[in-house]
Amino acid sequence: GNSVTQMEGPVTLSEEAFLTINCTYTATGYPSLFWYVQYPGEGLQLLLKATKADDKGSNKGFEATYRKETTSFHLEKGSVQVSDSAVYFCALRHPGGKLIFGQGTELSVKP
Amino acid sequence: DAGVIQSPRHEVTEMGQEVTLRCKPISGHDYLFWYRQTMMRGLELLIYFNNNVPIDDSGMPEDRFSAKMPNASFSTLKIQPSEPRDSAVYFCASSHSGSSAYNEQFFGPGTRLTVL
Repeated sequence: GNSVTQMEGPVTLSEEAFLTINCTYTATGYPSLFWYVQYPGEGLQLLLKATKADDKGSNKGFEATYRKETTSFHLEKGSVQVSDSAVYFCALRHPGGKLIFGQGTELSVKP
Repeated sequence: DAGVIQSPRHEVTEMGQEVTLRCKPISGHDYLFWYRQTMMRGLELLIYFNNNVPIDDSGMPEDRFSAKMPNASFSTLKIQPSEPRDSAVYFCASSHSGSSAYNEQFFGPGTRLTVL
């Protein structure tokens, strides 16, 4: 079946450090892929998305590339800020319309 | 648009009581999703609707849980009777199938339920 696996957190970084959060998926066909972010006390918000192989999603300095050969969609940011502290969820879209989420990775950025 | 609206934001109740959570999706959206989030289990999809019809309720934990969507602008998730293990944050989300292949889901702020 379809599933998403993320690297375990929490991830703790200093401000301006480079960020990578790994995400791999198992799916039939070529699903759309997403990264959602959840700030403390809030619901999830879409951060970026990609719909086909080699697509790169980007937003707010974050990037992720849809890699079919490695079934991966790793999230990266070149220089994190304290305001990026949140929980990040990787997800794929099931053909029926629902999203399959990973377990989430907590990011904490220290000044 | 006001976004997805959930009420109440916080609910504290005693074991055995009935709990009703409410959701108003974004106007024009035809999909509605109910999720539960806990530290132990992460984010779980409970049930989702398309055009007010339940499509997949395989995530509903047991018969104590029920969900309805009487019209396009309102849905409820009911727990009867509630148990301490139901304590969690419950999110409602909605999306529009006709917009693109992405089907971005828009999440509400959640209801934090505590069952004592």
